[in-house]
Amino acid sequence: GAGVSQSPSNKVTEKGKDVELRCDPISGHTALYWYRQSLGQGLEFLIYFQGNSAPDKSGLPSDRFSAERTGGSVSTLTIQRTQQEDSAVYLCASSSRQGARGYTFGSGTRLTIV
Amino acid sequence: GEDVEQSLFLSVREGDSSVINCTYTDSSSTYLYWYKQEPGAGLQLLTYIFSNMDMKQDQRLTVLLNKKDKHLSLRIADTQTGDSAIYFCAESTPPGNKLVFGAGTILRVKS
Repeated sequence: GAGVSQSPSNKVTEKGKDVELRCDPISGHTALYWYRQSLGQGLEFLIYFQGNSAPDKSGLPSDRFSAERTGGSVSTLTIQRTQQEDSAVYLCASSSRQGARGYTFGSGTRLTIV
Repeated sequence: GEDVEQSLFLSVREGDSSVINCTYTDSSSTYLYWYKQEPGAGLQLLTYIFSNMDMKQDQRLTVLLNKKDKHLSLRIADTQTGDSAIYFCAESTPPGNKLVFGAGTILRVKS
């Protein structure tokens, strides 16, 4: 597509439930990144995919968080047993090369845990 | 580890110049970026500079890089009300070049 597409744009879920967030990167972009932006905070790196290489999961805050990227394109970020502190905007970005020239970000998924 | 710091808030009058400052710690940074985030929107790449450059100008935007002091600044000339947003400084370092962001500077433009 023309841009990075994320769905849903808003998600409200009960504490303890699992959620899945989807990211559809720009066609042909080999690198895909997930970030989290909490209220009044900067952007926190979560995970990075580059081609067929093993993902860099160093930013995932706990083992309740996982992500996969199928066929080198669409990515799903899964949060299990959600907690209130998981409430944030989850941003996905893609890049045509390893970070050069910056990323293109999606509009994000605003996740609210109640 | 990597760290990027920015001042939290800047208020300017319409038509004045704005200067947003950023410091970073990783001397091996390859690219440094400025992103803009308007309310309820995602991040928009404004400009970037390669670490072997001192300055980059793009219309109303001027980026200055002092690599010795690890200091980056973004100057917006003739600031307009539409420039009101949060501005994020970011650096990338190989391998993988994941971006490390500052907390963002809120720019408020008064008419």
